[in-house]
Amino acid sequence: DAGVIQSPRHEVTEMGQEVTLRCKPISGHDYLFWYRQTMMRGLELLIYFNNNVPIDDSGMPEDRFSAKMPNASFSTLKIQPSEPRDSAVYFCASSPPTGIKQFFGPGTRLTVL
Amino acid sequence: GQQLNQSPQSMFIQEGEDVSMNCTSSSIFNTWLWYKQDPGEGPVLLIALYKAGELTSNGRLTAQFGITRKDSFLNISASIPSDVGIYFCAGQQGGSEKLVFGKGTKLTVNP
Repeated sequence: DAGVIQSPRHEVTEMGQEVTLRCKPISGHDYLFWYRQTMMRGLELLIYFNNNVPIDDSGMPEDRFSAKMPNASFSTLKIQPSEPRDSAVYFCASSPPTGIKQFFGPGTRLTVL
Repeated sequence: GQQLNQSPQSMFIQEGEDVSMNCTSSSIFNTWLWYKQDPGEGPVLLIALYKAGELTSNGRLTAQFGITRKDSFLNISASIPSDVGIYFCAGQQGGSEKLVFGKGTKLTVNP
């Protein structure tokens, strides 16, 4: 079975540009989570969805960040405008209905110059 | 926010040695999970623990849910080079699907 799919795997952009990260969760999973990983702060939860509805976005750093889940098989995390401090690895994870075990995608390494 | 204190931060061991690492918190957690992350990849779930005192194994890995519900331990027996990576603990509190992650233990195994 396919795991969580993320694209692109690497993204290099210039400050001020819009960045869109994409995620396809595991089929049948009800929960979808977006994380950011940096050396300084480790793994941080940004936002999560249940059945396509955002449940908790308290981890979203600021208004420049937005996330959507238009259907059960697709989610996006958008940064507009991007800044160098947004450089990090962004992970998407999904979880079955119990919401306990989370399965991570391979991540998108974002570099903002 | 909630924090998990994971120790040690890094370990350098010889192949064949056993490894122990732990995770502690000032708060109670209902579920503990252990993940391993290889370079350039996402964390992979190793073991999930659901009740205090639970001891669960996955091959050479054994994890325990502390009786106080504020800590968890992971042991790796007879380490091999492919055990190299960063091991993360994660805790989940009641009423929320959110996971709180430790900062990780970086394991290096010398052949």
